[in-house]
Amino acid sequence: GIQVEQSPPDLILQEGANSTLRCNFSDSVNNLQWFHQNPWGQLINLFYIPSGTKQNGRLSATTVATERYSLLYISSSQTTDSGVYFCAVQTGGGNKLTFGTGTQLKVEL
Amino acid sequence: EAGVAQSPRYKIIEKRQSVAFWCNPISGHATLYWYQQILGQGPKLLIQFQNNGVVDDSQLPKDRFSAERLKGVDSTLKIQPAKLEDSAVYLCASSLYGYEQYFGPGTRLTVT
Repeated sequence: GIQVEQSPPDLILQEGANSTLRCNFSDSVNNLQWFHQNPWGQLINLFYIPSGTKQNGRLSATTVATERYSLLYISSSQTTDSGVYFCAVQTGGGNKLTFGTGTQLKVEL
Repeated sequence: EAGVAQSPRYKIIEKRQSVAFWCNPISGHATLYWYQQILGQGPKLLIQFQNNGVVDDSQLPKDRFSAERLKGVDSTLKIQPAKLEDSAVYLCASSLYGYEQYFGPGTRLTVT
């Protein structure tokens, strides 16, 4: 099956700093989503981005499908950005999401 | 628009007992998914429904897990009998056309 790897696995930032999270996948994908899992376990949709670039406030994402990677940019980080960031992909004719290994982000004051 | 609802939020049971989880998807979403998330890992699909039919249950441990989606709306996931390794968060998700998925708050199961 498809392999989805995320980097870095852990990241500590000072409030106000910027960061880039990366997601690499081993095969062609039909769909890619970025999620934020907050400390209470809720998975929050950030982006549905099988290709191209999208922005939503302080967050933006870029997927280069031909090179099999996606990037999530967080600018001016806040403590509420803390949690685990997952990318997840769909391949072939199925709809199931295969999740990456996650990036644990902690934003400190 | 209401999100995906799940209950209970937490459950503690002893091994060999049974347990059931309930999910109500976003109104109008035909596709419903159950995922299992073990601590420190990403969610893994257990079963996918399209309306009330099963699309993919290849990773469902069918000797102990069962799921149904009556009338193509609500769904229940059951474990009987539970094992220690079933301790995890069980997440329900739904989607309109099988693309963007929306997740509920999850049920945290502890098996002692």
